[in-house]
Amino acid sequence: DAGVTQSPTHLIKTRGQQVTLRCSPKSGHDTVSWYQQALGQGPQFIFQYYEEEERQRGNFPDRFSGHQFPNYSSELNVNALLLGDSALYLCASSLLTGTAEQYFGPGTRLTVT
Amino acid sequence: AQSVAQPEDQVNVAEGNPLTVKCTYSVSGNPYLFWYVQYPNRGLQFLLKYITGDNLVKGSYGFEAEFNKSQTSFHLKKPSALVSDSALYFCAVRASYNQGGKLIFGQGTELSVKP
Repeated sequence: DAGVTQSPTHLIKTRGQQVTLRCSPKSGHDTVSWYQQALGQGPQFIFQYYEEEERQRGNFPDRFSGHQFPNYSSELNVNALLLGDSALYLCASSLLTGTAEQYFGPGTRLTVT
Repeated sequence: AQSVAQPEDQVNVAEGNPLTVKCTYSVSGNPYLFWYVQYPNRGLQFLLKYITGDNLVKGSYGFEAEFNKSQTSFHLKKPSALVSDSALYFCAVRASYNQGGKLIFGQGTELSVKP
């Protein structure tokens, strides 16, 4: 049973560029959440998708957008990249129940130069 | 507002000794509490959770955590530490009314277990 997978593993972009990160949830999960983890910090919630709709959103600007596909996989898009967007981006999948833990992928390390 | 505090940036323990990693939380209503572990250049791995019931929760790899409602704490413990337990540990909270929603994480505690 495959866990949460993310691609690419690493990415280097230049300020002002756009980036797309991808996530495939754990089999049987219907909900995908995205987190940003800056160096030395805990993960910060970006947004969550369920049934192809954005269900919750954290305190991130509109430059951060996402999408969920009918097979539950998801993309995170970031436009007009800033140096401060350099971080580990984590995807987590779960079932949409209150008690469910989230299962995390290995992350995508984004470096903006 | 929901928040999690992990007051120790680093905890150092000798192998074979008991370990405790501290966590306190603030949330409206009843909390759902989680512990995750992160190894270098890896994602987060789920260890255990408290939802309701017994205040002592047992999880993976011999870890356990004690929920204390009056002190709003959820400390992670292990009776006998292993060198392989060395990693970054995160406590997280979700309000019970926030069905399946976002987790709020602490800043993490680096655990170092020396032989």
